Amino acid sequence: AQSVSQHNHHVILSEAASLELGCNYSYGGTVNLFWYVQYPGQHLQLLLKYFSGDPLVKGIKGFEAEFIKSKFSFNLRKPSVQWSDTAEYFCAVLRMDSSYKLIFGSGTRLLVRP
Amino acid sequence: NAGVTQTPKFQVLKTGQSMTLQCAQDMNHEYMSWYRQDPGMGLRLIHYSVGAGITDQGEVPNGYNVSRSTTEDFPLRLLSAAPSQTSVYFCASSPGTGIPGANVLTFGAGSRLTVL
Repeated sequence: AQSVSQHNHHVILSEAASLELGCNYSYGGTVNLFWYVQYPGQHLQLLLKYFSGDPLVKGIKGFEAEFIKSKFSFNLRKPSVQWSDTAEYFCAVLRMDSSYKLIFGSGTRLLVRP
Repeated sequence: NAGVTQTPKFQVLKTGQSMTLQCAQDMNHEYMSWYRQDPGMGLRLIHYSVGAGITDQGEVPNGYNVSRSTTEDFPLRLLSAAPSQTSVYFCASSPGTGIPGANVLTFGAGSRLTVL
């Protein structure tokens, strides 16, 4: 069965620190990849997505992610975090076959200390 | 405002009771899905639909039924509630253009269910 792994469940950083959140998936075929964010008390919303082309994608609020096909990874990065980045981050993978299942990882809670 | 509407927002059930979580969207989205969110487990896909009259199982379908008689509505039914179904439930939808589910999901506000 397909799985999506986010190994860091909780991350605590100080403002201005750099961030990298890991995401790995187990499906060997073609995939679409997403990062969603859930700010406290808010709906889940899209941070960025990768469908094809340049494996380095940029999203909102200075976030970016790099798709490395050989490593089945789609890690999220931000060079300098802010207190307002405190949220839960979810990686999601869509298999590009007939199943059309969008599977989420278990999430990473990020706390940014001012 | 256009979006995904879930009702109720909160519900407490006793073990064995049945209920339906409602989900409606007014964006003419073909793809709709139900997830449950549990601490440390992220969002797990329960059921999804790529269009009216078509549904399929996700990762954790047991104990839940769905139907998709219209494009707008995608209700989730709990036939006999169990404490293990205590969770926050999210409905989400996306346009049907191209690959179903490949477009950005719009999420509802969530329904918090407690089963005693």
